[in-house]
Amino acid sequence: KQEVTQIPAALSVPEGENLVLNCSFTDSAIYNLQWFRQDPGKGLTSLLLIQSSQREQTSGRLNASLDKSSGRSTLYIAASQPGDSATYLCAVYSGGGADGLTFGKGTHLIIQP
Amino acid sequence: GAGVSQSPSNKVTEKGKDVELRCDPISGHTALYWYRQSLGQGLEFLIYFQGNSAPDKSGLPSDRFSAERTGGSVSTLTIQRTQQEDSAVYLCASSLDVQGGTQYFGPGTRLLVL
Repeated sequence: KQEVTQIPAALSVPEGENLVLNCSFTDSAIYNLQWFRQDPGKGLTSLLLIQSSQREQTSGRLNASLDKSSGRSTLYIAASQPGDSATYLCAVYSGGGADGLTFGKGTHLIIQP
Repeated sequence: GAGVSQSPSNKVTEKGKDVELRCDPISGHTALYWYRQSLGQGLEFLIYFQGNSAPDKSGLPSDRFSAERTGGSVSTLTIQRTQQEDSAVYLCASSLDVQGGTQYFGPGTRLLVL
């Protein structure tokens, strides 16, 4: 059974710093990996999706990498801003739709002004 | 519509009552997913639909849970004889198809069973 782990569980950094969030998964037979952010009391917002054949995806100040063989992904946030404060969730999709997405428990990020 | 919508946004019910949660996916999205987010449990996949068909219902927590989708659009998740452990946020997502496209999530329904 696929398991997804996110480290750290919580992170607090001053504004302007670059930071890395980590995600690991136990079964490398994935179709893709998706990063989301969740604001308090809100749904999930998709940030980046990396197909299994890809190594990284970039969107603005965000860069996500995928090392499928080692079961790892990182989300890099450059020049962090207070508006980046949220919970960041990593999820893997193993294909076929039967299992949906398997989520990690998230990293709760606080950017101090 | 522009995004996935869910109703109601909040629901408070008494133990033993039935509740019905609604999801309206993005127009044209054939795949629809239901998830549950419980405090301390993270996000848990419940069921998906490809069109009106749900091929695998094994993710539903118990036989008190059922889901249907009609016309390839709106879906309802029904919980019969609610229990306190059913309290959670129920999230719906849709994607163009089940072949691994981006899933777009609705705002969720926050269910509290007293």
